[in-house]
Parts: sequence; C-alpha cells; structure tokens
Amino acid sequence: QSALTQPPSASGSPGQSVTISCTGTSSDVGGYNSVSWYQQHPGKAPKLMIYEVSKRPSGVPDRFSGSKSGNTASLTVSGLQAEDEADYYCSSYTGSNNYVFGTGTKVTVL
Amino acid sequence: EVQLVESGGGLVQPGGSLRLSCAVSGFDFSSYWMDWVRQAPGKGLVWVSQISGDGSSTSYADSVKGRFTISRDNAKKTLHLQMNSLRAEDTAVYYCARGGFPFAVDVWGQGTTVTVSS
Repeated sequence: QSALTQPPSASGSPGQSVTISCTGTSSDVGGYNSVSWYQQHPGKAPKLMIYEVSKRPSGVPDRFSGSKSGNTASLTVSGLQAEDEADYYCSSYTGSNNYVFGTGTKVTVL
Repeated sequence: EVQLVESGGGLVQPGGSLRLSCAVSGFDFSSYWMDWVRQAPGKGLVWVSQISGDGSSTSYADSVKGRFTISRDNAKKTLHLQMNSLRAEDTAVYYCARGGFPFAVDVWGQGTTVTVSS
C-alpha cells in the first residue's frame, strides 16, 4: 500500500487560512469516508484533529475542518495561529482492517 | 487520566527480535481496538498493525506481515508487539495508539525507540 500524497509544505500568515490536500485512490480515500488528520509537533506524539473526513473530536478548535472530493481529502486551518505550526498527516482506511498514512505536510506560520 | 506507556525498545542486530509492550490505564482496555504506528527518524507515520478488543482479529502492514505479531492481555491491560527477523528499515519510534473513533486513533503513547544495527 503506497502512502497517500500530501504536499511537503504549506504556509500562511497569522489569521490566514491554509489548506492541505491528501490524494489517494478509489481503494482508500475515495472508497471510504474514513479519512482522519493528525497534528504532530516536533518530538511529540501525534494528535487526532479530524476523523471520518470532517468530524472533530472534543477539544479540537473549529478552526480545523476537513472535507473530501473523490480521491482527495483536504484539511483547512482557518485563522492560523503560531501553535498551528506543526506536521500534519492524513490517514485512510484501505479495507480488511488496514490503514495508510499520508506523506506528511509541514505547516509554517509566517 | 487515559495513559499509554510503551516499553521494550532498544538496540538489536539485524535478524534479531524484540518485544514491545504498551501498558494502558484510565479506560476500559478490552473495549477498544488498538494499533501500533511507527516513525523512522525524520520520516512520516506508518501504520504497522491493529488488534480488536477481544484479540480475535488482527491485521498487519505488508512490510511486517509474517515477522511481527500483535497481541494483548486484557487482564493486565497490556498490548504487545513481537518483532522478529528485524531489519535496518524497522528502525523507528514505535507508538501504541487507541482506536477511539471509527477508523481513527485518539490517544497515543509517547513512543519507544527501536534501532536495528550491527
């Protein structure tokens, strides 16, 4: 199973929005409403930000939103804040209790 | 407080074995699917394996199938990953994680480092 494709980097100024794409195939992203997004700060464990494409766990700010169209999912961070600077990974179910992560995107707050 | 604490990492020679453990507390362990995810130095996250709450269902990434075995002891609230025939490319931080949401993990341990080198 190949990793989902994400842009290596994305950036925005404080208060702006940034959108990260996550491209897979009809066997993963396009086949299931199972995309999740994780935030990881350097040296820390990942944190779940979005599950089932667009749902936010309790405690995650509503500045974080997710969507999906065809084989591509997206994470949008609105109203960028300094603490949003981190690596972001998407993940998708691929069937038969298997999963695949994306290649990761480093978000920089300018 | 929900906690996951991994242990068992270390330096091992190629072809060797290691058994990772993940001790959990603060939730009903047997009710949750559990996963192992790894991250090689400076690289991205890679899903490794998953096990159902009662241990009856397991799955593995192709890269570890036949070499790694996931298991759990619900009485001791512990998750395990037995890693055999280790290769240099298995070098990574290994995280255990709780499957708290459909198709997603919501709680992660801090990770344990496995280094495969001669």
